[in-house]
Amino acid sequence: SQKIEQNSEALNIQEGKTATLTCNYTNYSPAYLQWYRQDPGRGPVFLLLIRENEKEKRKERLKVTFDTTLKQSLFHITASQPADSATYLCALEGDKIIFGKGTRLHILP
Amino acid sequence: DTEVTQTPKHLVMGMTNKKSLKCEQHMGHRAMYWYKQKAKKPPELMFVYSYEKLSINESVPSRFSPECPNSSLLNLHLHALQPEDSALYLCASSQRDINEKLFFGSGTQLSVL
Repeated sequence: SQKIEQNSEALNIQEGKTATLTCNYTNYSPAYLQWYRQDPGRGPVFLLLIRENEKEKRKERLKVTFDTTLKQSLFHITASQPADSATYLCALEGDKIIFGKGTRLHILP
Repeated sequence: DTEVTQTPKHLVMGMTNKKSLKCEQHMGHRAMYWYKQKAKKPPELMFVYSYEKLSINESVPSRFSPECPNSSLLNLHLHALQPEDSALYLCASSQRDINEKLFFGSGTQLSVL
């Protein structure tokens, strides 16, 4: 069955550094992959979508890569700020979206 | 207007009650979704409506009954729930293609006593 893993449940990063989150998947070849941000008690917010023929996508301080050979996506936040602290969810496309368990990112001032 | 509005924000109900959750979007999106999320878990898909027709039901118990009265509205009718149904219920919408770029509401935090 399709499986999606975000291999860090929690990640602490010093303010100003680059935060890198990892999403791995198995038993599937998605046409695209998405990243969402979720704050406590709120719904997820769509951040970026990257398609299988795109190696990299950027949006302001965010960068996503998609390696279909490694079956992995990396999500980077550069010049991280305390306001970036949240849970980040990776989501796989299929007949339905499968969300990873998320990584709780803490940016330390 | 780029919002998905859910009401109520919080709901406490007994196991014999009947209640409804409401969701509204005015972005012209043609796909709408109900998700259930337990604490520290990812959202789990319950139902998908595409062009106002139910397209996916993830084997959800019949005590949850979805309804899509029109392209802007989505309801979730609740009846005879169990305490384990307590969770954050999220509504989402997407423009046309199912599963791309979901816009989520803030959710209804449901407690079943």
